[in-house]
Amino acid sequence: AQSVAQPEDQVNVAEGNPLTVKCTYSVSGNPYLFWYVQYPNRGLQFLLKYITGDNLVKGSYGFEAEFNKSQTSFHLKKPSALVSDSALYFCAVRPRNSGNTPLVFGKGTRLSVIA
Amino acid sequence: GAVVSQHPSWVICKSGTSVKIECRSLDFQATTMFWYRQFPKQSLMLMATSNEGSKATYEQGVEKDKFLINHASLTLSTLTVTSAHPEDSSFYICSARRASLAGDYEQYFGPGTRLTVT
Repeated sequence: AQSVAQPEDQVNVAEGNPLTVKCTYSVSGNPYLFWYVQYPNRGLQFLLKYITGDNLVKGSYGFEAEFNKSQTSFHLKKPSALVSDSALYFCAVRPRNSGNTPLVFGKGTRLSVIA
Repeated sequence: GAVVSQHPSWVICKSGTSVKIECRSLDFQATTMFWYRQFPKQSLMLMATSNEGSKATYEQGVEKDKFLINHASLTLSTLTVTSAHPEDSSFYICSARRASLAGDYEQYFGPGTRLTVT
């Protein structure tokens, strides 16, 4: 069975500092990996995804994520955090060629950027 | 492109009544839609997979008689919460699947519906 782990419930970072939100996964084969952001009472907004190729994926709003196959990780990063980045972040995974299989989400990490 | 809408965005109902939530793919056809439920400060839990023209597939522990799903067209799926109770209060998010150029598919999410049962 596929699963996603986000080990941190909360990440606090000062504005202007780099941020990292961690994600590890467990799925057979080479998965598709995703990051989404959710603001209060809103749906999910797509940030980025890894399909194949370069392990460093660049996404929306200056975010990027690094796929590490040996560590089965897909950590989300941003060089300089903004207060407006404060939100709930979800890592998600889906096996390749998985037919109707939907995304499986981690439990989410709340990012708080302090001015 | 690839916009998914939900209606209503929020609803308050009394215990015992039924509430219908609509999920529409506005600019693409979606043979498959997914319904998720999210409790406060928690992750999205898949409730069911909705396939156009056939019965929905429910996840273990989800009461199919309570959460009725109808996928009547390629752009519309509905979730009806029947005989709602306060414990059904939650944030419901739908997602529509669209085939990608790479031969795979992508999931696009609606903005969510906040249901409060009093």
